Amino acid sequence: QLVLTQSPSASASLGASVKLTCTLSSGHSSYAIAWHQQQPEKGPRYLMKVNSDGSHNKGDGIPDRFSGSSSGAERYLTISSLQSEDEADYYCQTWGTGIEVFGGGTKLTVL
Amino acid sequence: EVQLVESGGGLVQPGRSLRLSCAASGFTFDDYAMYWVRQVPGKGLEWVSGISWNSGRIAYADSVKGRFTISRDNAKKSLYLQMSSLRAEDTAFYYCAKDNDYDILTGPFDSWGQGTLVTVSS
Repeated sequence: QLVLTQSPSASASLGASVKLTCTLSSGHSSYAIAWHQQQPEKGPRYLMKVNSDGSHNKGDGIPDRFSGSSSGAERYLTISSLQSEDEADYYCQTWGTGIEVFGGGTKLTVL
Repeated sequence: EVQLVESGGGLVQPGRSLRLSCAASGFTFDDYAMYWVRQVPGKGLEWVSGISWNSGRIAYADSVKGRFTISRDNAKKSLYLQMSSLRAEDTAFYYCAKDNDYDILTGPFDSWGQGTLVTVSS
């Protein structure tokens, strides 16, 4: 079964960096994923697609502070030089035979 | 600039029907697959349904299969979700989303709308 697992919460200080993790279920380590950001009271926003080889393709207008990488079944979103507006929920997404799947989301708090 | 604007949400009684619409602009609508995704307030995202560029391929989440019907009108640049036999657990914000490809289930959603709230309650 295709499942994405995310930690429910993360926190980091203003100006620091943070690395969020999305883990693919067993047998699906070759899958690409996408990262989406959802600020409070807003619709989601596409950030990037992250491939199994670590390459990533960002959406239009996404700052260079956002980057993606991979290791095995884990896909990462790194945000550097954290700003207050980065405080949001971050969801990973993948796609398979007959379904689209979202992770449970990580709530990022900027201290 | 890609814009997706949902409409049609509101309060509806259990067992009744409701039709959501999504008006698209800023891109060639009939080149891309489209989706509906929902979110219970305060909870995570749940994929609902997807439709390919020419309506040739359609998929539904098990939770809505047999009750919801997705469709599109490329001439009107619009996506629809007909929801029937609504249940309290269908209460959520419903978002329209665009694929970066013509077929469903092949890639990420690269644009989202702002959502419309559906409340199922007596």
